[in-house]
Amino acid sequence: EPEVTQTPSHQVTQMGQEVILRCVPISNHLYFYWYRQILGQKVEFLVSFYNNEISEKSEIFDDQFSVERPDGSNFTLKIRSTKLEDSAMYFCASSVEAGPTDTQYFGPGTRLTVL
Amino acid sequence: DAKTTQPNSMESNEEEPVHLPCNHSTISGTDYIHWYRQLPSQGPEYVIHGLTSNVNNRMASLAIAEDRKSSTLILHRATLRDAAVYYCILSLYNQGGKLIFGQGTELSVKP
Repeated sequence: EPEVTQTPSHQVTQMGQEVILRCVPISNHLYFYWYRQILGQKVEFLVSFYNNEISEKSEIFDDQFSVERPDGSNFTLKIRSTKLEDSAMYFCASSVEAGPTDTQYFGPGTRLTVL
Repeated sequence: DAKTTQPNSMESNEEEPVHLPCNHSTISGTDYIHWYRQLPSQGPEYVIHGLTSNVNNRMASLAIAEDRKSSTLILHRATLRDAAVYYCILSLYNQGGKLIFGQGTELSVKP
């Protein structure tokens, strides 16, 4: 069964450093998402992406965040200057469409630890 | 954002049915009810969704109240592997796919 993959599984970085989290969505999917989950808290939507453009972003997704689909398979989340509060699990998801009946498939997540 | 209310936690015994309730009193006519679950240390996983009629799939059943203000996810025979946080989410027609997760119900399954 096709699945969303994410690398790395765990990323440790120093505050102020840039990190890039990578995702390979399911191949025939057109919509891509990033969510994050701070330890012990709920899953939060960050951004959705379609046709090489951001469709929607949350208040969390400020200027330090960016997303990109650099080639036909990868979808990346870049955090320009990491802060301690960016420490969280980051989940990538993808879906065929973005309607109310469409299912999102989530990757296993990248645990980001900012020291 | 449309809101759902779920109990924080529930317990079940292995091989017994589990009924996980969700209230969504502000649901509108075009909102679909989705359930996802998150197993420990994993990403969320789709379980089931429905609009008005009850739905069954290989994982679970979804019972939707006639007024659609509440729904119940039914696991017919809980296994230890079903221990997870279960999220009831309204998928709005014009939401562009964005999922708004609440705190969910943490289900523990006792052998």
